[in-house]
Amino acid sequence: EPEVTQTPSHQVTQMGQEVILRCVPISNHLYFYWYRQILGQKVEFLVSFYNNEISEKSEIFDDRFSVERPDGSNFTLKIRSTKLEDSAMYFCASSEDTVYEQYFGPGTRLTVT
Amino acid sequence: GQQLNQSPQSMFIQEGEDVSMNCTSSSIFNTWLWYKQDPGEGPVLLIALYKAGELTSNGRLTAQFGITRKDSFLNISASIPSDVGIYFCAARGSGTYKYIFGTGTRLKVLA
Repeated sequence: EPEVTQTPSHQVTQMGQEVILRCVPISNHLYFYWYRQILGQKVEFLVSFYNNEISEKSEIFDDRFSVERPDGSNFTLKIRSTKLEDSAMYFCASSEDTVYEQYFGPGTRLTVT
Repeated sequence: GQQLNQSPQSMFIQEGEDVSMNCTSSSIFNTWLWYKQDPGEGPVLLIALYKAGELTSNGRLTAQFGITRKDSFLNISASIPSDVGIYFCAARGSGTYKYIFGTGTRLKVLA
């Protein structure tokens, strides 16, 4: 069964550094998303991406965040100048269409020290 | 902003019992999804609901899209130990790509 994959599973970085989180969405999906989940809290939407453009973003997705689809299979989230409060699980998701369900990857745990 | 109120927050049940949980909101939504999340893992889709009043089953799971489009419930029948985890509802309104998630129901099953 097709699934969303994410690497790395755990990333530790120092405050102020840049990180890149990587995702491989389900192959026939066209819409891609990033969500985050602070430990013990609910999942929060960050950004959606379609046709090489951001289609929607939340207030969390400030100018330190960026997304890219560098090739036909990968989808990345870059966070510059990381802050302690960026520590969270980051989930990539994909869907065939906007009206359909979103499938989530296993997540990357980001720890900013 | 839009919020989903999920209840109960947690529940302990005996193996074999039925479970019911729900999500409510003051906002109207077009799609409801139910996910299960195990510790340290990503949410796994259980059921998707697209129409008000829709009742959908997936094995021992049954979910309904409320007729007012402001709520949804999930039932699990004859619970087993592997049902342990956190269950999240998620909903999407019109004109948006994002799903809003509920606060989760933590289910613990006593053998």
